Amino acid sequence: EAGVAQSPRYKIIEKRQSVAFWCNPISGHATLYWYQQILGQGPKLLIQFQNNGVVDDSQLPKDRFSAERLKGVDSTLKIQPAKLEDSAVYLCASTSGGETQYFGPGTRLLVL
Amino acid sequence: GQQLNQSPQSMFIQEGEDVSMNCTSSSIFNTWLWYKQDPGEGPVLLIALYKAGELTSNGRLTAQFGITRKDSFLNISASIPSDVGIYFCAGRRGGSQGNLIFGKGTKLSVKP
Repeated sequence: EAGVAQSPRYKIIEKRQSVAFWCNPISGHATLYWYQQILGQGPKLLIQFQNNGVVDDSQLPKDRFSAERLKGVDSTLKIQPAKLEDSAVYLCASTSGGETQYFGPGTRLLVL
Repeated sequence: GQQLNQSPQSMFIQEGEDVSMNCTSSSIFNTWLWYKQDPGEGPVLLIALYKAGELTSNGRLTAQFGITRKDSFLNISASIPSDVGIYFCAGRRGGSQGNLIFGKGTKLSVKP
């Protein structure tokens, strides 16, 4: 069974530019999460989807971050415009409804 | 936001030694989880705890859910080089789809 796929693996942009990350969850997993992991910290939930609906986006900075999961499968996370403090690893995770969240390898973003 | 205090922040141990790390919170959690993250990868679930006082093992790993529901510890016995990595605790208040709050991690380094 293929794991959670994320792309790109690395991205370097200048502040005020836009960037988008893509996630393909494990086949059949209805729940998808985006986390932000700043260096030296644990992951912090940005948004949780159940199929194509948002369950929790309370910690998503909505003035610059957006996410969608239009067909209930793949998801994209966008930052526009990026700030220096957005430099982090962005992790995608999925679950079929059980306890285990399966994480992808992450996208490492550096904002200069 | 909610904080989990995880300690120690980092540790160096000799191969074969036992190691302990713990996590405390000011709030009650219904579930405690322990993850390991290797460099360049997403976190992987090691142990899940669902009931106060519960003691659960997974190979050389043992974790306990504190009686007060505000803490948890993880023990690794007879450490080996592949135990190197960052260990995160995570707590959840709601059901299996609820938001996870992660600690800042314990970085484990083993001297061969």
